[in-house]
Parts: sequence; structure tokens; C-alpha cells
Amino acid sequence: EAQVTQNPRYLITVTGKKLTVTCSQNMNHEYMSWYRQDPGLGLRQIYYSMNVEVTDKGDVPEGYKVSRKEKRNFPLILESPSPNQTSLYFCASSSGQGLNTEAFFGQGTRLTVV
Amino acid sequence: AQSVTQPDIHITVSEGASLELRCNYSYGATPYLFWYVQSPGQGLQLLLKYFSGDTLVQGIKGFEAEFKRSQSSFNLRKPSVHWSDAAEYFCAVGAHGFQKLVFGTGTRLLVSP
Repeated sequence: EAQVTQNPRYLITVTGKKLTVTCSQNMNHEYMSWYRQDPGLGLRQIYYSMNVEVTDKGDVPEGYKVSRKEKRNFPLILESPSPNQTSLYFCASSSGQGLNTEAFFGQGTRLTVV
Repeated sequence: AQSVTQPDIHITVSEGASLELRCNYSYGATPYLFWYVQSPGQGLQLLLKYFSGDTLVQGIKGFEAEFKRSQSSFNLRKPSVHWSDAAEYFCAVGAHGFQKLVFGTGTRLLVSP
């Protein structure tokens, strides 16, 4: 089954404690992205990757890092989380090829930073 | 810069009534347009998409959307709403090819008995 898998689904952490949210896709997609969803703001892109070792900033990259060492994985790293990073996070992947492409989303990770 | 406006934060519709959710976009080139649905506690599911061709697009779950270039709109419609349609709906435009989706702020649909 084609899917994007995020872990963990829920996470409560303390300010300043480094954390990683993992994302894996099994569709051999080139494009992967991270979004955060906040009430009244919709989803905003944090980082994206066009392929292995190719990443770039989205609209709200401050406080986040990513890496793309393998095509299937795209972890999101918060080196020093702060309360304003409390949010619902989604990973997405797409092939980016042709008119039939679409973005597949993971189930989301609800992060609370206290 | 690309942007998407969903002017309705909440909409309440009676079960069996028709539905129209509004979406306006701003994009310099031919837009790739999408509607996603998010049920409580779930991820986003693609309802339908428009890339080119016929401006009336059919999607899953009985939804359709019409692309109107002159109005920069891509409104979502359903002729008869079911209680299971209660969810949050997001309109999005594909920017920079497929590197990025720009989302609207969402419309929460409530379905009354």
C-alpha cells in the first residue's frame, strides 16, 4: 500500500530538548516536504526536498533542520524546540512528474513543547 | 506570490442539502489546484485536482469543483451532503512546479441533522 509514515504521532517535550520526527515513503517519490498546521493559518511549508541531498527552505524554516540521505526518508529535526513550535506537522511526498501527480500526506505528528 | 483565500471559516449545512465551498487563488501562471479534506485526527486526503482541460472536475465522494479563470476561483460543490462529510476542507495551489503547495486557511464543515 502506498503510504507516507510519520513517527511519532504524538509527542510532548520540554523546551530545548532536541527531537526528530521521522518520515518515510514507499512510493519512490522524488519530492518530499514538511508542513506545519496551525489554527487559522492553514498549512505552511517548512522545508522541501527535490531529491537525495537536495533540500531547500519553505515559508517557515526557522528553528528546523532536515536531511535527505536516502530517497525514502526525510526527517524533521528540532534542535532546540520552543513553545511556538507546538503544532501539527505533516510530511508529504509526490513524484512531481506529469499531470497525474499528487501529494500524499502522512497522518500527522502533534507536537507540544512545554 | 501565490496565495489562496477561503473566505468561510465555518459553514453549517443540513444533511441532504447542497454544498459550495469557496476558494480564490492568486498565481501568475496556469495554476495546479487541489482540494483536500481532513477528518478529525486524520491526515489530508485528496478530493480532486485541476491541472488543465475540462474546467469541471469530478472527484471522490461525490465532490466536484469548477475552475473559473476569469474569477480566479476553484469552488468545491456537492449536491447532497452526508453527515460523514463533516470535516475541514483545504484548497491549495501548486507552486514552483510540485515543490510546494500553498494552502488556504481551511473551511470547517458542520452537518446538521
